[in-house]
Amino acid sequence: DVKVTQSSRYLVKRTGEKVFLECVQDMDHENMFWYRQDPGLGLRLIYFSYDVKMKEKGDIPEGYSVSREKKERFSLILESASTNQTSMYLCASSPRVRGRTEAFFGQGTRLTVV
Amino acid sequence: AQTVTQSQPEMSVQEAETVTLSCTYDTSESDYYLFWYKQPPSRQMILVIRQEAYKQQNATENRFSVNFQKAAKSFSLKISDSQLGDAAMYFCAYRTPASKTGANSKLTFGKGITLSVRP
Repeated sequence: DVKVTQSSRYLVKRTGEKVFLECVQDMDHENMFWYRQDPGLGLRLIYFSYDVKMKEKGDIPEGYSVSREKKERFSLILESASTNQTSMYLCASSPRVRGRTEAFFGQGTRLTVV
Repeated sequence: AQTVTQSQPEMSVQEAETVTLSCTYDTSESDYYLFWYKQPPSRQMILVIRQEAYKQQNATENRFSVNFQKAAKSFSLKISDSQLGDAAMYFCAYRTPASKTGANSKLTFGKGITLSVRP
């Protein structure tokens, strides 16, 4: 089974802190995603990586950056956390194989910025 | 840009009955994939069913089936014989095939619908 692991289920950080959310997948998938989930807004894509060191901005990249130095790991970075970044963060991965494009998700990190 | 619309925020169904969740999308592409994901209270997103746009036949997975209307850009999920374990948030999602480099293959979600199942 594909496994996508996020480093924390719950995280509390202070305003202005630099925050790292880590995601690791064990199925050699080329694509990895970071989403933010808020009530009434669904899942919004923050960043997408389609290969090592390659990334694309999603719909809401402001205030975030990402790092993909190794194929299995995709990090989301909040350079200076703010209270409006309190949210659920979901990581996902998918293969780049035609006909198998479904994404596999981690269990989410609920981040609270105080 | 592709958009996915789920206009019903909540729905309720009696156990053992059938319910249909609606989804529409907007795209100028002819080749793409559509998905329904389930998110139970545990927060783990689970793939329910997938449809390739080039396939005319509607996908089916046990009690779950879709009604894919490509011209209308509609992709509804039908759950038959509803069970208490079906209670969850359901998300409709859209994706185009990856380019050769893998770029431009974003996965876009709707806002989701909360399904409750009455015993």
